[in-house]
Amino acid sequence: TQLLEQSPQFLSIQEGENLTVYCNSSSVFSSLQWYRQEPGEGPVLLVTVVTGGEVKKLKRLTFQFGDARKDSSLHITAAQPGDTGLYLCAGVRSGTYKYIFGTGTRLKVLA
Amino acid sequence: DAEITQSPRHKITETGRQVTLACHQTWNHNNMFWYRQDLGHGLRLIHYSYGVQDTNKGEVSDGYSVSRSNTEDLPLTLESAASSQTSVYFCASSQGGIEKLFFGSGTQLSVL
Repeated sequence: TQLLEQSPQFLSIQEGENLTVYCNSSSVFSSLQWYRQEPGEGPVLLVTVVTGGEVKKLKRLTFQFGDARKDSSLHITAAQPGDTGLYLCAGVRSGTYKYIFGTGTRLKVLA
Repeated sequence: DAEITQSPRHKITETGRQVTLACHQTWNHNNMFWYRQDLGHGLRLIHYSYGVQDTNKGEVSDGYSVSRSNTEDLPLTLESAASSQTSVYFCASSQGGIEKLFFGSGTQLSVL
């Protein structure tokens, strides 16, 4: 059973468009992280959110943690081909150091 | 620079053989993890360790084992490889808490 479901699974958009990726769960997490993965490499951390309702911005990327700490979203403004990759959310449940990953969203931005 | 390395990068084996994938980190991290990555499933946790002599089962541990005899290494063993274990395997480490995971570059394993 996958605790974290991401949507959409695949997304192909034109350069300059905006997009939102969702990460949903019925479980509460003490923190949530977003990673991006390039082909042939391991995932690399983009951001960590820890407080319900928290919003963090990383250039054109905006991350939000749900008020109940069960879900998160990643919004990209004016997507660029360099944003292409696999985006993964990962939650850490209270009392553990165990990272549970979402199902992933594969993004392709066309020039 | 500190790093986490996996070997081999690619491995082809036959059904029923025992296979060991190596993971070595020089971050001096207490926590180490093994994940497998399959299309549509993201990363699924196989085993993890919070320190020397500590090992724990993850979501998909059947058919896999690990041992932690020192801080730097967490080898993953497939006792009797099955075709369903064809996957890309990632090792990761972290210091703890909500610190970020550092990943290796992965091992592509094919079981024929």
